[in-house]
Amino acid sequence: EAAVTQSPRNKVAVTGGKVTLSCNQTNNHNNMYWYRQDTGHGLRLIHYSYGAGSTEKGDIPDGYKASRPSQENFSLILELATPSQTSVYFCASGPRGNTLYFGEGSRLIVV
Amino acid sequence: GDSVTQTEGLVTLTEGLPVMLNCTYQTIYSNPFLFWYVQHLNESPRLLLKSFTDNKRTEHQGFHATLHKSSSSFHLQKSSAQLSDSALYYCALSLGYKLTFGTGTSLLVDP
Repeated sequence: EAAVTQSPRNKVAVTGGKVTLSCNQTNNHNNMYWYRQDTGHGLRLIHYSYGAGSTEKGDIPDGYKASRPSQENFSLILELATPSQTSVYFCASGPRGNTLYFGEGSRLIVV
Repeated sequence: GDSVTQTEGLVTLTEGLPVMLNCTYQTIYSNPFLFWYVQHLNESPRLLLKSFTDNKRTEHQGFHATLHKSSSSFHLQKSSAQLSDSALYYCALSLGYKLTFGTGTSLLVDP
């Protein structure tokens, strides 16, 4: 079974502060993804990566940066957090164009 | 751009009745992969079933779906709903490196 772990699982941040969400996968998948989940919008892709050193913009990248320093790790960075970024964030990994394996989710509240 | 449409936000059923959740998609590419993911309360999404073959029924855990490229549809069906089927269901489209999800349909099965 695929293993994707996220940290922190819960985070409260202040407006204007910096937030880093981390993701680690032990499946040796080349592709990793960050989605946010909001009622009425479903899962929306923020950033994704083809492999170490690569990051690509997804459908809603504004206000977010990503970093893929290694095959195993993929981080999502909010340099200046805003209340509109309050959400549940999911990291996922998977083979090209195929099944995604999701982490447990990170619940972020920006006050 | 590519998109997935799930018209029902909430479907409520009585246990034992058939389930049908609608999914249509838009893409200019002729060979999409279509997926159904299921997310139970306080869990992360996981794959339910997938297909890329036109007009071929695919089944898993009592659910089934058939990709119809002529109508750009991939509806999810089950003959008899169970209480444990209550969950959020996502239809998703893949054309390569990324999956695009619909807004999701919450299925609530009552006794």
